[in-house]
Amino acid sequence: EAGVAQSPRYKIIEKRQSVAFWCNPISGHATLYWYQQILGQGPKLLIQFQNNGVVDDSQLPKDRFSAERLKGVDSTLKIQPAKLEDSAVYLCASSQGMGLAPLLHFGPGTRLTVL
Amino acid sequence: QKEVEQNSGPLSVPEGAIASLNCTYSDRGSQSFFWYRQYSGKSPELIMSIYSNGDKEDGRFTAQLNKASQYVSLLIRDSQPSDSATYLCAVNMSSGGGADGLTFGKGTHLIIQP
Repeated sequence: EAGVAQSPRYKIIEKRQSVAFWCNPISGHATLYWYQQILGQGPKLLIQFQNNGVVDDSQLPKDRFSAERLKGVDSTLKIQPAKLEDSAVYLCASSQGMGLAPLLHFGPGTRLTVL
Repeated sequence: QKEVEQNSGPLSVPEGAIASLNCTYSDRGSQSFFWYRQYSGKSPELIMSIYSNGDKEDGRFTAQLNKASQYVSLLIRDSQPSDSATYLCAVNMSSGGGADGLTFGKGTHLIIQP
């Protein structure tokens, strides 16, 4: 089966600019996650979708970050305006369903550099 | 604050020896535990999951879980240079409402010396 797809793979922007990342999960996976991984740290959950509904966005900085999954498949994560501290790898992951034992499949990530 | 703690390392192990990686977690209600391997510049890949107290073996990998001590470990037997990577411990912490996003530790950087 095809894996999780993400684009772009790399992005360099200046602070205060906006940026958007795209994710296409594994076919049939109802649950989609966006994680932020800062260099030297573990991934941090930003938002979880079940189909096209938000399950958990408690760690999403909502003043500048937004995400949507309109048709329950692809998802877009946006940052506006970007800050220096947003430099990180943004990982999209998907799993078949929800539950206590989620098996996450990660995409290759988008490496964002904010200058 | 629900946390997952790991020693960041680096942990240096001779080739052929056993590498032992440890992780503690703060939420006593946690029920699912995972080990991910992450090579430099790559995304995490799942190598082990464990849900019950005790040991779970898969090839050269053994995961150990002790819920009473809130402790998870990963043993890698017959370590190979290709095992050199960062190992992330991840825990599904009970948060209700169907939210099941994993909480990750910072990872332990493992170096296998030929």
